[in-house]
Amino acid sequence: NAGVTQTPKFRVLKTGQSMTLLCAQDMNHEYMYWYRQDPGMGLRLIHYSVGEGTTAKGEVPDGYNVSRLKKQNFLLGLESAAPSQTSVYFCASSQPLYGSGGYTFGSGTRLTVV
Amino acid sequence: AQSVTQPDIHITVSEGASLELRCNYSYGATPYLFWYVQSPGQGLQLLLKYFSGDTLVQGIKGFEAEFKRSQSSFNLRKPSVHWSDAAEYFCAVGLIQGAQKLVFGQGTRLTINP
Repeated sequence: NAGVTQTPKFRVLKTGQSMTLLCAQDMNHEYMYWYRQDPGMGLRLIHYSVGEGTTAKGEVPDGYNVSRLKKQNFLLGLESAAPSQTSVYFCASSQPLYGSGGYTFGSGTRLTVV
Repeated sequence: AQSVTQPDIHITVSEGASLELRCNYSYGATPYLFWYVQSPGQGLQLLLKYFSGDTLVQGIKGFEAEFKRSQSSFNLRKPSVHWSDAAEYFCAVGLIQGAQKLVFGQGTRLTINP
């Protein structure tokens, strides 16, 4: 049971570079989310999707874009990375109304922007 | 706006002692409530959840939480902690009106003294 898989696990970027984080889930969940985790701030929602082909902004969307072309995949893009985007990024998925178990989380991507 | 407050950033308890982690929320309706645990370098794992019904809910690893509507609280408890409980704990509110998404508290880091 893979659950939610995030790729890559670690990455170092230079300021101004771009990259895409991939999230894949094999549970046929409708909803998918991208959060960032920073010390003392908990998890903050970047973008989310309630179904294939849909996306919506969360609490901290600036500097990020997302796409959900396939139900099982949710991509997070950084067009021009900034040091403020140094963080740990978590992807999660769920069924509507949180199903029976809330979110299922990936193991995270640690991104450093220098 | 919806918010979740975990008043204690860091708590230290001795192994075998009881534990209570506090969580207060602000939300216009009865929310879905969750506690997650994060071990170092890992993703988040669901400990327990409250959707409706009995206000005392049991979770994994011997944890329980009590929903108190009058106090807008959902505190996590464990009668006797083990060294393996050292981790960061997050309380979250699941919004059910409009966009369905989790709003997280800032987290409480738990240290266990031998």
